[in-house]
Amino acid sequence: GENVEQHPSTLSVQEGDSAVIKCTYSDSASNYFPWYKQELGKRPQLIIDIRSNVGEKKDQRIAVTLNKTAKHFSLHITETQPEDSAVYFCAAILSSGAGSYQLTFGKGTKLSVIP
Amino acid sequence: GAVVSQHPSRVICKSGTSVKIECRSLDFQATTMFWYRQFPKKSLMLMATSNEGSKATYEQGVEKDKFLINHASLTLSTLTVTSAHPEDSSFYICSARDRVVTGELFFGEGSRLTVL
Repeated sequence: GENVEQHPSTLSVQEGDSAVIKCTYSDSASNYFPWYKQELGKRPQLIIDIRSNVGEKKDQRIAVTLNKTAKHFSLHITETQPEDSAVYFCAAILSSGAGSYQLTFGKGTKLSVIP
Repeated sequence: GAVVSQHPSRVICKSGTSVKIECRSLDFQATTMFWYRQFPKKSLMLMATSNEGSKATYEQGVEKDKFLINHASLTLSTLTVTSAHPEDSSFYICSARDRVVTGELFFGEGSRLTVL
């Protein structure tokens, strides 16, 4: 089955600096890669996602890059703010129109943005 | 975006009782719903995949007789923790897959179960 490795497990950055979280996956058939932000005691919220036919996607201060050959994808947060502090999860999903759907989450990265 | 509602958000029960948690997709049809358990400061642990009209598929190590899952309609899945014990205390979260938009997952608010 799919295996998703996420690094680092904890990350502290100064406010205004950039943060990068990396994930690798094992199943080359995975075709959808979302990133979730989870604040303490709350539900994971989708912040950005990328599909396997795209190499990079950006939404304001957040970007995701995907390297299919190397089977890794990364989350980039620029100009970090204290409210970015949370746990971030990556996921690798194999989804087909025929109904097949397999998902695997990374173990999470606790991001702390220091004011 | 799509909304998934989970109820109750918090429940406290006595050891030996059963607790039912509901997961509803409010504005889309979800052929597949997922149930997770999350320990403090840990990742989401997938417990089972719930498909509408069929039996749930449980992950290895998850007791299907302990965690009963029913997905009777395209908008509702329930998780029943039977004969709950203190070690079942945890944060349980559901997510639903939008059948129209392939791949997108939406999460419920989570349910914190405390078994005394």
